[in-house]
Amino acid sequence: NAGVTQTPKFRILKIGQSMTLQCTQDMNHNYMYWYRQDPGMGLKLIYYSVGAGITDKGEVPNGYNVSRSTTEDFPLRLELAAPSQTSVYFCASSAGWDGELFFGEGSRLTVL
Amino acid sequence: AQSVAQPEDQVNVAEGNPLTVKCTYSVSGNPYLFWYVQYPNRGLQFLLKYITGDNLVKGSYGFEAEFNKSQTSFHLKKPSALVSDSALYFCAVRDMGNTNAGKSTFGDGTTLTVKP
Repeated sequence: NAGVTQTPKFRILKIGQSMTLQCTQDMNHNYMYWYRQDPGMGLKLIYYSVGAGITDKGEVPNGYNVSRSTTEDFPLRLELAAPSQTSVYFCASSAGWDGELFFGEGSRLTVL
Repeated sequence: AQSVAQPEDQVNVAEGNPLTVKCTYSVSGNPYLFWYVQYPNRGLQFLLKYITGDNLVKGSYGFEAEFNKSQTSFHLKKPSALVSDSALYFCAVRDMGNTNAGKSTFGDGTTLTVKP
């Protein structure tokens, strides 16, 4: 079992560029999440999904978009990158609303 | 709204001594509580959770946590710390009393350093 896999691990973007962070899980989990982690700030929820075709905003959704066409994949799209989006991004999944989260290894994004 | 507070940014203990990492929470309904650990440049790993039942929950690597409803706390404990326990620890809560029951709110994290 690979668990939750995120790509890329590192990326540098210029202001105004766009990119997609990929996330896939092989545990057949319905719930998937995107968090960002800023130094000393804990994790903030960007978007989440409770199943294929269903997504909803978290605490900090501005500047991001998601889609969930399959159970396995939950890509995060950054449009018009800004320096404020410099962060470490974590994808996570859970089997249900009461289950623990399984995290990917993270994607470190720098916007210059 | 749900929230979590980890009042200590840093906890330092000597190897072999007991450790406690504090967490308090606020929810409108019943809380589901979690502890996660993060090693440098890695994702978070699940340690333990409280859903219902016994207030003392045992988890991975010898860690345990005690749910205290009256004090709205869920402190993480270990009887004898190891140097390898040094890491960043996060407490998280889900409020089962609202429609957003699937969303976890995380504390800001506590850095645990265990010195030999």
